[in-house]
Amino acid sequence: QQQVKQSPQSLIVQKGGISIINCAYENTAFDYFPWYQQFPGKGPALLIAIRPDVSEKKEGRFTISFNKSAKQFSLHIMDSQPGDSATYFCAASTSPGAGNMLTFGGGTRLMVKP
Amino acid sequence: DTGVSQDPRHKITKRGQNVTFRCDPISEHNRLYWYRQTLGQGPEFLTYFQNEAQLEKSRLLSDRFSAERPKGSFSTLEIQRTEQGDSAMYLCASSRGAGETQYFGPGTRLLVL
Repeated sequence: QQQVKQSPQSLIVQKGGISIINCAYENTAFDYFPWYQQFPGKGPALLIAIRPDVSEKKEGRFTISFNKSAKQFSLHIMDSQPGDSATYFCAASTSPGAGNMLTFGGGTRLMVKP
Repeated sequence: DTGVSQDPRHKITKRGQNVTFRCDPISEHNRLYWYRQTLGQGPEFLTYFQNEAQLEKSRLLSDRFSAERPKGSFSTLEIQRTEQGDSAMYLCASSRGAGETQYFGPGTRLLVL
């Protein structure tokens, strides 16, 4: 059972455009939602994360929007650059006492064209 | 570089052989996680340690898999009698504690022929 569904699977954006990746989750016990960026041959690296007590978090060009009632969250990359070309994973985890293991979405391969 | 390190980075083995991977977490991180990532998919949780104690194992972790963290520092993941379906990237992550950010290593890519 896939608990975190991510879309689209791939995305092509022109340089300077906005990249939008969406995720939906099922488990209402999730309370931590990070986004990871992964380059080929590398491990995932944390990009930005949000907890459900806020609806939006912004760090530089990256923004997470969170809709608790719809059980959805999204990543927006403003002014997308060729260096942003990578695979992006949303993830979710439950409270620290439950182990904090991350449940990942299927990934979105982003290509930013110069 | 004081990040999570994994060794080896690549491993090719024949079906039926045993393999062992090592993970060195960030210093003083007491939580250590193992994930498996197949091509085109997101990582899937396998198991995690709090110091030397293995606290949870996924149902993905069959009895051919065993993980240890004997002194609460580095960890090993062993796969016995490898199968072609074991071919994947094995990722290790560590965190300072419960609820803290997980930092991933570069992974060990396993190919079972």
